[in-house]
Amino acid sequence: GAGVSQSPRYKVAKRGQDVALRCDPISGHVSLFWYQQALGQGPEFLTYFQNEAQLDKSGLPSDRFFAERPEGSVSTLKIQRTQQEDSAVYLCASSLDGDRAFFGQGTRLTVV
Amino acid sequence: RKEVEQDPGPFNVPEGATVAFNCTYSNSASQSFFWYRQDCRKEPKLLMSVYSSGNEDGRFTAQLNRASQYISLLIRDSKLSDSATYLCVPFDSWGKLQFGAGTQVVVTP
Repeated sequence: GAGVSQSPRYKVAKRGQDVALRCDPISGHVSLFWYQQALGQGPEFLTYFQNEAQLDKSGLPSDRFFAERPEGSVSTLKIQRTQQEDSAVYLCASSLDGDRAFFGQGTRLTVV
Repeated sequence: RKEVEQDPGPFNVPEGATVAFNCTYSNSASQSFFWYRQDCRKEPKLLMSVYSSGNEDGRFTAQLNRASQYISLLIRDSKLSDSATYLCVPFDSWGKLQFGAGTQVVVTP
């Protein structure tokens, strides 16, 4: 596709459930970023890949959060044992050369 | 201190007026800078890139002051459609994009 695609767009999870969020970056884009955005806040950095290498995961809030990009294209953000504070919009962005980044529409996660 | 700081606003601007706001950053190694706009419940969209001292694109002007480590965005002849949150993003040498919390602009008729 022409842009960054994220799925699902909306996810409701019961507390304690595991979830997996998918990001399809723009074809050929080397860099891929995950952000968490709470209502009324700016996007908070979670993690960053160059190709399949996870160069920075300093923003992952706990060891319940795990991201992978095994073939340097599609990425998955997994959250284990979801908690209410995990409710947020999860944004994925990709960049050709680490410069200008383009965002997907996000996955709105609600933990009940 | 946060890496990127922005006045959250809101900046209430009459239609046709000029508005300007700043963003300060702490990482002196930041190579380039971006302004994104984000509409309510939408994803951020790239507005402008700033590589040197400044950049102008139509009604939008971005200026970079490396010595004082701030970037500004000026919007001339504001339109109702300019109402949004403007996010400042320094790009550091490691390739990480750090977002500010955003400045909300509300253009009123």
